[in-house]
Amino acid sequence: KQEVTQIPAALSVPEGENLVLNCSFTDSAIYNLQWFRQDPGKGLTSLLLIQSSQREQTSGRLNASLDKSSGRSTLYIAASQPGDSATYLCAVALPGSGNTGKLIFGQGTTLQVKP
Amino acid sequence: GAGVSQSPRYKVAKRGQDVALRCDPISGHVSLFWYQQALGQGPEFLTYFQNEAQLDKSGLPSDRFFAERPEGSVSTLKIQRTQQEDSAVYLCASSLGLADGYTFGSGTRLTVV
Repeated sequence: KQEVTQIPAALSVPEGENLVLNCSFTDSAIYNLQWFRQDPGKGLTSLLLIQSSQREQTSGRLNASLDKSSGRSTLYIAASQPGDSATYLCAVALPGSGNTGKLIFGQGTTLQVKP
Repeated sequence: GAGVSQSPRYKVAKRGQDVALRCDPISGHVSLFWYQQALGQGPEFLTYFQNEAQLDKSGLPSDRFFAERPEGSVSTLKIQRTQQEDSAVYLCASSLGLADGYTFGSGTRLTVV
């Protein structure tokens, strides 16, 4: 059974710091991995999607890496800003029968960036 | 539409009531998913549709939960005889296909009192 773990559960940093959020998964048979952002009381916003054949994706100050063989992904946030404060969720898509691609989520890392 | 739309945004139900939650996916998106998110947890898979066919309902917690997508677009998640443990945010997501990632709606926050 695929399990996704995110460490740390919570993180507080001063503005301007570079930071790394970690995600690990137990079964390397994934179709892709996606990082989401969730603001309090809101839905999920997709940040980066990494296909299983890819090693990393970048968008602005965000960079996500994927090491499928070791079951790990990291989300790197450069020059953090107070507006980055949110919960960050990692999710892997399972191939499954019929390639349904359902997502298995970690519990998230809640980030607070202090001005 | 431009995004995935869910209604209502908030729902308070008395224990034992039936509720219906609606999801309008992005036009043309074949795949539609429902997830349940308890407070402080990551979302958990409930069910999956490909067009009008419900291909996976393995995540539905009990036979009180029922989902449909009769015309392959709008979907409804129905919960019968609601219980307090059903209180959660219910998220809908749609996708063009497996390689394209998912777009989530803002969710429906259900509170059972």
